[in-house]
Amino acid sequence: KQEVTQIPAALSVPEGENLVLNCSFTDSAIYNLQWFRQDPGKGLTSLLLIQSSQREQTSGRLNASLDKSSGRSTLYIAASQPGDSATYLCAVKGPDEYGNKLVFGAGTILRVKS
Amino acid sequence: DAGVTQSPTHLIKTRGQQVTLRCSPKSGHDTVSWYQQALGQGPQFIFQYYEEEERQRGNFPDRFSGHQFPNYSSELNVNALLLGDSALYLCASSTWSSGYGYTFGSGTRLTVV
Repeated sequence: KQEVTQIPAALSVPEGENLVLNCSFTDSAIYNLQWFRQDPGKGLTSLLLIQSSQREQTSGRLNASLDKSSGRSTLYIAASQPGDSATYLCAVKGPDEYGNKLVFGAGTILRVKS
Repeated sequence: DAGVTQSPTHLIKTRGQQVTLRCSPKSGHDTVSWYQQALGQGPQFIFQYYEEEERQRGNFPDRFSGHQFPNYSSELNVNALLLGDSALYLCASSTWSSGYGYTFGSGTRLTVV
């Protein structure tokens, strides 16, 4: 059974700090991994999509890495800002027997203090 | 380019009633999935529709049903509502050409009283 775990569950940092969010999954035969941001009571905003053949993806201050063999991904946020405060969710697609559904972690609640 | 559109935004229903939630996928996407998100948890997969057929279903009772229309839009129906059905319902669309990256809507907040 594919299970996704995110550590830490919550994180509070001062503005300007660089930070790392962690995601681990139990079955390494994934198709892709996606990081999402969710503001309170809102929907999910896709941040980065990493295909199984890729090692990392970058968008602005965000960098996500993927190590399929060890079942891990990290989301690196550089120079954090108060506007980055949100819940960050990691989700994997696959392996094949799971079809096309995404399996999500419970998320990391990030608070950036000004 | 419009993303995924969901309606209504909020809904309050009484136990035992039935509810219909609606979703229009992102332009160019042909696959629609529905997820339920309880407070403080990650979204849980309900089912997925492609070519107007339910292609995959998660661990949800038959009270949860859906439909996809020829224009790829979709509905989620929940019968005999329970208090435990209170959650944020998220619709996501995708297609193979997007590498199966998913685009989510803003969700429908359902409260059952």
